[in-house]
Amino acid sequence: GAVVSQHPSWVICKSGTSVKIECRSLDFQATTMFWYRQFPKQSLMLMATSNEGSKATYEQGVEKDKFLINHASLTLSTLTVTSAHPEDSSFYICSAPRPGAGGARSSYEQYFGPGTRLTVT
Amino acid sequence: GQNIDQPTEMTATEGAIVQINCTYQTSGFNGLFWYQQHAGEAPTFLSYNVLDGLEEKGRFSSFLSRSKGYSYLLLKELQMKDSASYLCAVKSDSNYQLIWGAGTKLIIKP
Repeated sequence: GAVVSQHPSWVICKSGTSVKIECRSLDFQATTMFWYRQFPKQSLMLMATSNEGSKATYEQGVEKDKFLINHASLTLSTLTVTSAHPEDSSFYICSAPRPGAGGARSSYEQYFGPGTRLTVT
Repeated sequence: GQNIDQPTEMTATEGAIVQINCTYQTSGFNGLFWYQQHAGEAPTFLSYNVLDGLEEKGRFSSFLSRSKGYSYLLLKELQMKDSASYLCAVKSDSNYQLIWGAGTKLIIKP
């Protein structure tokens, strides 16, 4: 079953409004979560790293005042797109690292949420 | 800088075998991941390599050569449902962040 959930799965909003997207780790704690954006037929683009109990780390070119990230608990991170514009329309995906199965070769796998498709009209 | 290269698109026939290559140049190396992403969906984990060699998991295998900065994903007995994008990602340091390749779109033909 899913280990990372995202809500909503899709949202349509009017230009100038704000939209909040939630990302939850379902059966494990995640002190770090990642937020990605993906435009059609393009690869994932890391927007920011969400850190529980501290400020998020934003990638170059991503406006921190426009994309507000709050990692309020060990299982929840939220991304708020403020004053949304049509060019913000995209597929937003979160991920959280979780220990992978296996012994010495185990590593933290990134588990992705199902994504949120945002359309700004 | 950090760079990961993989072919943009590949085409293969149902029932055949296909190999998707990935080369990387990163400041450090702590493992290489392969993910599958169907259109409109989030990526799903396929494999992880941190030591040289081949890791086999059912129809999918992944190979790593750290000295060459090279990996490949091998898909056998291709099925139509394997049509997807395949993403190569490297963990370059000790934190959780991955460096992503642009992905290879695999098209399976009957």
